[in-house]
Amino acid sequence: GDSVTQMEGPVTLSEEAFLTINCTYTATGYPSLFWYVQYPGEGLQLLLKATKADDKGSNKGFEATYRKETTSFHLEKGSVQVSDSAVYFCALSAGAGSYQLTFGKGTKLSVIP
Amino acid sequence: EAGVTQFPSHSVIEKGQTVTLRCDPISGHDNLYWYRRVMGKEIKFLLHFVKESKQDESGMPNNRFLAERTGGTYSTLKVQPAELEDSGVYFCASSPGPRGEQYFGPGTRLTVT
Repeated sequence: GDSVTQMEGPVTLSEEAFLTINCTYTATGYPSLFWYVQYPGEGLQLLLKATKADDKGSNKGFEATYRKETTSFHLEKGSVQVSDSAVYFCALSAGAGSYQLTFGKGTKLSVIP
Repeated sequence: EAGVTQFPSHSVIEKGQTVTLRCDPISGHDNLYWYRRVMGKEIKFLLHFVKESKQDESGMPNNRFLAERTGGTYSTLKVQPAELEDSGVYFCASSPGPRGEQYFGPGTRLTVT
């Protein structure tokens, strides 16, 4: 079945550091890929998405590129802020009649001043 | 526009008792999803409604779980009788169409003692 593997946390970074959270997936066909973020006390919010190979999703300074050859969708940000502290989830949707999201375990990011 | 709301935010019950969780989707969203995150594990899909009909309930763990969506509006998820392994955070999400972005609620934290 479909699955998503993302790097285990927690991750602690200093403000303005570079962030990478690795995500790889296993799926049949051509899934859509997502990064969701959950800030403390809130629900999950879509951060960015990519629907086909080589697409780059971007939002709020975060980027991720859909790499079919390596089945990866790593999340990056060049300079993190304290307000980026949250839990980040990589997810896929297989489509083709199945619209459920398959999630990774989540990576907790803490950014310290 | 109000987001997805869930009630209660937290529920503590004893093993063998019954609990009902409620989700109010964004107005006009025909698609409603339930997910669950057990401690330390991935967020797992439970089921998908289109209006009042169950489109996909392949993720429901067993027959102790019953989901309904009255009139295609709000949804309830009943667990009867609750077991210890049912503890976790239950998320609801809605979307206008099956391929659209899923908007998540803040979740209900269920603790079974």
